[in-house]
Amino acid sequence: GDSVTQMEGPVTLSEEAFLTINCTYTATGYPSLFWYVQYPGEGLQLLLKATKADDKGSNKGFEATYRKETTSFHLEKGSVQVSDSAVYFCALILITSGTYKYIFGTGTRLKVLA
Amino acid sequence: ETGVTQTPRHLVMGMTNKKSLKCEQHLGHNAMYWYKQSAKKPLELMFVYSLEERVENNSVPSRFSPECPNSSHLFLHLHTLQPEDSALYLCASSQDLLAVSRGYTFGSGTRLTVV
Repeated sequence: GDSVTQMEGPVTLSEEAFLTINCTYTATGYPSLFWYVQYPGEGLQLLLKATKADDKGSNKGFEATYRKETTSFHLEKGSVQVSDSAVYFCALILITSGTYKYIFGTGTRLKVLA
Repeated sequence: ETGVTQTPRHLVMGMTNKKSLKCEQHLGHNAMYWYKQSAKKPLELMFVYSLEERVENNSVPSRFSPECPNSSHLFLHLHTLQPEDSALYLCASSQDLLAVSRGYTFGSGTRLTVV
């Protein structure tokens, strides 16, 4: 079935380190892909998205490229800050024949140390 | 006020209590959703409303009862809950059902503890 798999956390980095959070997906159709971020005590916020192969979503220094050949959508940031500490969720949406399916991963917690 | 607002932020209730969660959006969106977030599990879609009509109910126990009196408000009525129902309950909205391809707008959630 359709699914999203994220790397388990927590991921602990020092400030200014390079970040990669892996996300792979399985989908019967051609999904749109998303990253959401959840800061402590808050709901999820849309961070970035990509709707077709080779699209790159970017926001706040974060980037992710839709790789159809590897069914991946890895999240990257060149230099993390303490304020980036949060839980990151990869998600996909499949829309077929007027119905939709929205699937979230389990989330990856990022801790950035000063 | 803009965005999606959920109240209360925290709720502790006994298993015999009846309580309600409230969600309000001022974005002019026509679709609203309830999600359950439990530790180390993917978000679980509970209910979907489009133009105040329930369009999806994902096998949620009857002790959870949603209500959507208008396109700006969504409630989740709770009664005779179990301890395993303790979780973060998130409300979300989108312009319409198919606009979820542009992403949801989430509220901050209600942290529910059943004792």
